[in-house]
Amino acid sequence: GAGVSQSPSNKVTEKGKDVELRCDPISGHTALYWYRQSLGQGLEFLIYFQGNSAPDKSGLPSDRFSAERTGGSVSTLTIQRTQQEDSAVYLCASSATSGGRSEQYFGPGTRLTVT
Amino acid sequence: KNQVEQSPQSLIILEGKNCTLQCNYTVSPFSNLRWYKQDTGRGPVSLTIMTFSENTKSNGRYTATLDADTKQSSLHITASQLSDSASYICVVSGASGGSYIPTFGRGTSLIVHP
Repeated sequence: GAGVSQSPSNKVTEKGKDVELRCDPISGHTALYWYRQSLGQGLEFLIYFQGNSAPDKSGLPSDRFSAERTGGSVSTLTIQRTQQEDSAVYLCASSATSGGRSEQYFGPGTRLTVT
Repeated sequence: KNQVEQSPQSLIILEGKNCTLQCNYTVSPFSNLRWYKQDTGRGPVSLTIMTFSENTKSNGRYTATLDADTKQSSLHITASQLSDSASYICVVSGASGGSYIPTFGRGTSLIVHP
């Protein structure tokens, strides 16, 4: 398909383990966003990539969270030493440009459960 | 602090009826406002986008309004259908250091009953 894909769709992990979440954006989209959606809460911005520019990491909640975007395409969000409060749906979105009018296309999300 | 408040938190209506969802924001400087529809288990999908100079934008049975002076927006759904059951999220983008970081509301959960 031509949409944003994410994997895995569901991830259950034990507290203290590291997890990696993957996002495949729409081909040619230069901007990529990661969000977190907790139950009953709005989407929380985590990190933003635009082309080859330094990412905007202002939304990352702690230094346990990091993300990479290799070759301007696929992105990986890594959570180290997971905590129960990290349980949420992690959504990735991509857009054609970084402009505010450029629509963001969302993936289906990865549901992370930390036990 | 940038904030987006939506009301009501949840809404139940009968199929065929109209409804209006509200969004108030304090994001500054303002760039644009979007309404998204999020079906259960899916990512949000954009319905409308408006900049400060646009007052109304329609997309089929969905009509969004924006009052940039009072920083309020509404989403009106006409002749609701069962497939309209979803969460509707108001998203306001500002400008920060040249990038556009959006602020999301918590959404209004709409249930349309037959």
